[in-house]
Amino acid sequence: AQTVTQSQPEMSVQEAETVTLSCTYDTSESDYYLFWYKQPPSRQMILVIRQEAYKQQNATENRFSVNFQKAAKSFSLKISDSQLGDAAMYFCAYSSTQGGSEKLVFGKGTKLTVNP
Amino acid sequence: DAGITQSPRHKVTETGTPVTLRCHQTENHRYMYWYRQDPGHGLRLIHYSYGVKDTDKGEVSDGYSVSRSKTEDFLLTLESATSSQTSVYFCAISDHPYGYTFGSGTRLTVV
Repeated sequence: AQTVTQSQPEMSVQEAETVTLSCTYDTSESDYYLFWYKQPPSRQMILVIRQEAYKQQNATENRFSVNFQKAAKSFSLKISDSQLGDAAMYFCAYSSTQGGSEKLVFGKGTKLTVNP
Repeated sequence: DAGITQSPRHKVTETGTPVTLRCHQTENHRYMYWYRQDPGHGLRLIHYSYGVKDTDKGEVSDGYSVSRSKTEDFLLTLESATSSQTSVYFCAISDHPYGYTFGSGTRLTVV
C-alpha cells in the first residue's frame, strides 16, 4: 500500500519570505499523481497544485511550485512571497492510476503559520 | 464547494445511536469517497464508491457502512455511534485524474 509522509508537523515563515514544505511517499508504481491541498480554518479542502508522475517538469501555480524528485520519491511544496492568507494546514496526497479506485492517500499534514 | 454538498454540517449524537451522513453531487462523477479527519492523522479513507451500488472499504471502515443507490448520493452510516467516531467527516468526488473536490465537512460529536 502507498504511504505519504510529511515530516514537519508545524512550520512558520515571515510574511513575504519563502518556505518549503516536505513530502515523501512510498510506492512501487511508476504512474501516479501527487497533490498538495490547503485547509484553512474554514475547514474547506482547497487544491493547491497537482503533479503527474510521468511529467518531468515541476508544476507551478503562481506563488506555489513543487520540487518533484521521482527517484527519491519526494514532492516538496515551495511557497514564495508568503502571505497571511497562506496560513493553513497543508496536506500532501497521492493517487494511483491503477486498481480502478483512484483514491487519495494523505499525509498527516503540516501546519503553516505566517508571521507578519 | 459548488457541485458537492454534505449534510448535516454539525451533529451531536449519543453513544449507541445510528447516524447517517449524506453527500450529494451534481457533477455526475463516478467516484465518491468518505474520509474522516482527526488531529495527527490527516484524512483517512473510510469507504469509497466507483458506481451505483459499487462500494469498497478503505483503511478505517470498521463501524461504518455506505450506500449508493443513485449516482448523485453517497450515504455514510455509523451503525452504533461510539466516542471514537467523533471526528470531522469529508465527502469527496473525483473526475480522476483531473482532481478531487471536497465537501465542506461534517463535524460529528458522539457523547
